[in-house]
Amino acid sequence: GAVVSQHPSRVICKSGTSVKIECRSLDFQATTMFWYRQFPKKSLMLMATSNEGSKATYEQGVEKDKFLINHASLTLSTLTVTSAHPEDSSFYICSASEWEGDFYGYTFGSGTRLTVV
Amino acid sequence: AQTVTQSQPEMSVQEAETVTLSCTYDTSESDYYLFWYKQPPSRQMILVIRQEAYKQQNATENRFSVNFQKAAKSFSLKISDSQLGDAAMYFCAYRNTGNQFYFGTGTSLTVIP
Repeated sequence: GAVVSQHPSRVICKSGTSVKIECRSLDFQATTMFWYRQFPKKSLMLMATSNEGSKATYEQGVEKDKFLINHASLTLSTLTVTSAHPEDSSFYICSASEWEGDFYGYTFGSGTRLTVV
Repeated sequence: AQTVTQSQPEMSVQEAETVTLSCTYDTSESDYYLFWYKQPPSRQMILVIRQEAYKQQNATENRFSVNFQKAAKSFSLKISDSQLGDAAMYFCAYRNTGNQFYFGTGTSLTVIP
């Protein structure tokens, strides 16, 4: 089945630095990738939708200058948390969509635990 | 954005018994998809079952089935013959025509041996 690799699985960074999270579709081309944020024991919150080669569409309330999304190829999307602060600490999950003939299938990455100290 | 509501933060079920998880959603669209995802402690989101809104027949996947009531905007998940491995967080999700997902707040399911 479809596999989405998300890297790193865990990262600790100092306040004020930037951190990049990668999301790769390993065996399919993902026309669209999505980025979510999940707080402890909470739901997944859609942050942005990215289509290959175009600018990401951000959900209301998500700062596009803080959460930079790049979708340069059909198999790779990156989320960069710029000038990270402790309140950015969270679990970030990506998902990638693939046309399965009659339906867009969605595969989630395994998530990245970001801790800003 | 669409809203998805799961009114049961926690549920428990005896092993081999049946449990039903509730989900309601709010939308003005007529074409959409509904999903149930399972998130075990590993945090990996795993698709349990999906339902196309245009289909009247309720989706079934082995021990998992849904009760889709479009007019009531209700989408409950029934787990039959519950197993210990079913213990996880379950999220109901709505996907709109723009292929964006909106998730409920989740139901933590405990399976009692």
